[in-house]
Amino acid sequence: EAGVVQSPRYKIIEKKQPVAFWCNPISGHNTLYWYLQNLGQGPELLIRYENEEAVDDSQLPKDRFSAERLKGVDSTLKIQPAELGDSAVYLCASSPEGAGTEAFFGQGTRLTVV
Amino acid sequence: GIQVEQSPPDLILQEGANSTLRCNFSDSVNNLQWFHQNPWGQLINLFYIPSGTKQNGRLSATTVATERYSLLYISSSQTTDSGVYFCAVASGGSQGNLIFGKGTKLSVKP
Repeated sequence: EAGVVQSPRYKIIEKKQPVAFWCNPISGHNTLYWYLQNLGQGPELLIRYENEEAVDDSQLPKDRFSAERLKGVDSTLKIQPAELGDSAVYLCASSPEGAGTEAFFGQGTRLTVV
Repeated sequence: GIQVEQSPPDLILQEGANSTLRCNFSDSVNNLQWFHQNPWGQLINLFYIPSGTKQNGRLSATTVATERYSLLYISSSQTTDSGVYFCAVASGGSQGNLIFGKGTKLSVKP
């Protein structure tokens, strides 16, 4: 069974440019998370989806970040415009049904903003 | 929201030694997971253990939900065990989110 797939693995962009990350969760998993991980820190939640509905986006900086999960499967996280402080690893995870079920993570996208 | 504290923050071991990592949490949980983050950044699932005890090879974990803590035991450590170990918890039923601690950085020396 395929795990959570993220792309790209690495991305280097100049500040003020847009960037997008893509995530394909494990088949049949209704819950999808996007996390941000800064160097030396634990992952921090950005947004959680239940099917196609964003049920918690309270930590998503909405002035520059946006996310969507069309048809309740794949998801895209976008930053526009990127700032130097956005350099981090962006992780996607999925679980079968809600936060009480076991979550599995993708390999992440390492973003460097120069 | 729920608070997660892990200890110790750093741990250095000689190969073959045993260790215990601790995770304290501030509220009742319906999910507790232990992860190992390898040097390439991948989060590897170790245990899904909201309560009880589980074992997988040299690793075992115990969660005492009533006292709000979990322990991860590593026996006969190997250099490949090096990395960061994270505890993550969720509470609040279907409305909860999976919240991470700051991790324990383990270094196993040959």
